[in-house]
Amino acid sequence: GQNIDQPTEMTATEGAIVQINCTYQTSGFNGLFWYQQHAGEAPTFLSYNVLDGLEEKGRFSSFLSRSKGYSYLLLKELQMKDSASYLCAVRDWLVGQNFVFGPGTRLSVLP
Amino acid sequence: GAGVSQSPSNKVTEKGKDVELRCDPISGHTALYWYRQSLGQGLEFLIYFQGNSAPDKSGLPSDRFSAERTGGSVSTLTIQRTQQEDSAVYLCASSLRDDNNSPLHFGNGTRLTVT
Repeated sequence: GQNIDQPTEMTATEGAIVQINCTYQTSGFNGLFWYQQHAGEAPTFLSYNVLDGLEEKGRFSSFLSRSKGYSYLLLKELQMKDSASYLCAVRDWLVGQNFVFGPGTRLSVLP
Repeated sequence: GAGVSQSPSNKVTEKGKDVELRCDPISGHTALYWYRQSLGQGLEFLIYFQGNSAPDKSGLPSDRFSAERTGGSVSTLTIQRTQQEDSAVYLCASSLRDDNNSPLHFGNGTRLTVT
């Protein structure tokens, strides 16, 4: 089966760095996605990893280790607007609907 | 360009009534997904359409739920005899292709409240 775990909530200070972890168990791994969802809004795509290593996009970076079933999203120079839920989703080719979402991590950025 | 469009944005209905939720995906996107999100919860998969293939209905919670996609574009999710536990935000998403790195693009959702 498939299982994705993320911390439920995290708190960090404006200007700091925060790392949001995601662990997964899937049968047919085919890529990992991170989404940002502000309260009351739709999720928006942040990053994609399919090979091991770090992908950097401005203040956001995402890391993947396939052998460990582990990913993290790194947010640098935190801003108040980064307060949101962060969803980890795995694409699994053995699962008909492909995408399996984690429960999301609610990040609060404090001044 | 235009994103995924969902209507209505809000729907309040009485228990036992039927509702229809509409999703207009991004033009050219062949894959279309419906998810449900209860307050403070993660995304619950409902149904998936890919091109002309038979839809994956494995996430539909009961036979009161059905969906169709006409002409490979617009999709309608129908909930019959609504129950209070159906109250949630219903999100539609589309992607360009059914390959590895095509991300999902989400609509703003329909907030359904069953009274």
